[in-house]
Amino acid sequence: AQSVTQLDSQVPVFEEAPVELRCNYSSSVSVYLFWYVQYPNQGLQLLLKYLSGSTLVKGINGFEAEFNKSQTSFHLRKPSVHISDTAEYFCAVSAFKAAGNKLTFGGGTRVLVKP
Amino acid sequence: EPEVTQTPSHQVTQMGQEVILHCVPISNHLYFYWYRQILGQKVEFLVSFYNNEISEKSEIFDDQFSVERPDGSNFTLKIRSTKLEDSAMYFCANSIGGQQPQHFGDGTRLSIL
Repeated sequence: AQSVTQLDSQVPVFEEAPVELRCNYSSSVSVYLFWYVQYPNQGLQLLLKYLSGSTLVKGINGFEAEFNKSQTSFHLRKPSVHISDTAEYFCAVSAFKAAGNKLTFGGGTRVLVKP
Repeated sequence: EPEVTQTPSHQVTQMGQEVILHCVPISNHLYFYWYRQILGQKVEFLVSFYNNEISEKSEIFDDQFSVERPDGSNFTLKIRSTKLEDSAMYFCANSIGGQQPQHFGDGTRLSIL
């Protein structure tokens, strides 16, 4: 079984400042890692994914994340946030498996960008 | 970009009634999923569906729940006899392959009275 912990439930940040959202996971098998964003009254939109290869992955809207296997972490970063980045961000993992892979989500981090 | 479409956006139902939530997945995306998010809680996996059968289900997905693809395009979640604790946002998701990222719909907010 997998579990995901997002250490910060809320992160206030000023516009144009950097932000880092922390995600740690636990799994007895290798996993794929994802970050999703949820804007108000909308579904979950994929920001980026780590399936294999380079541990630094770049996503949409200027976000990037780094997979650290030894620390079982997949922290999300953006060097300069905009007001429009105000949303809830979810880290998720799925296990290597032949058939469909369920996603296990963290509790989410609500980012509030202040002018 | 192709989208997963869910209807209705909001469903209000009396406790004990049956409810069916609808999802139109992205064409040629063959893996289907339902998740739910109770207000203030994590997004939780309910069930995955591939090749016209359930491939995995969670403990939440008990005998009151069922899924089907009635016409080869729509993907539905049925709750036979709703309970108050079924009130949640239900998300349909879809992926082109079992190990590929899942694309989510905007969800159906289910309110049980």
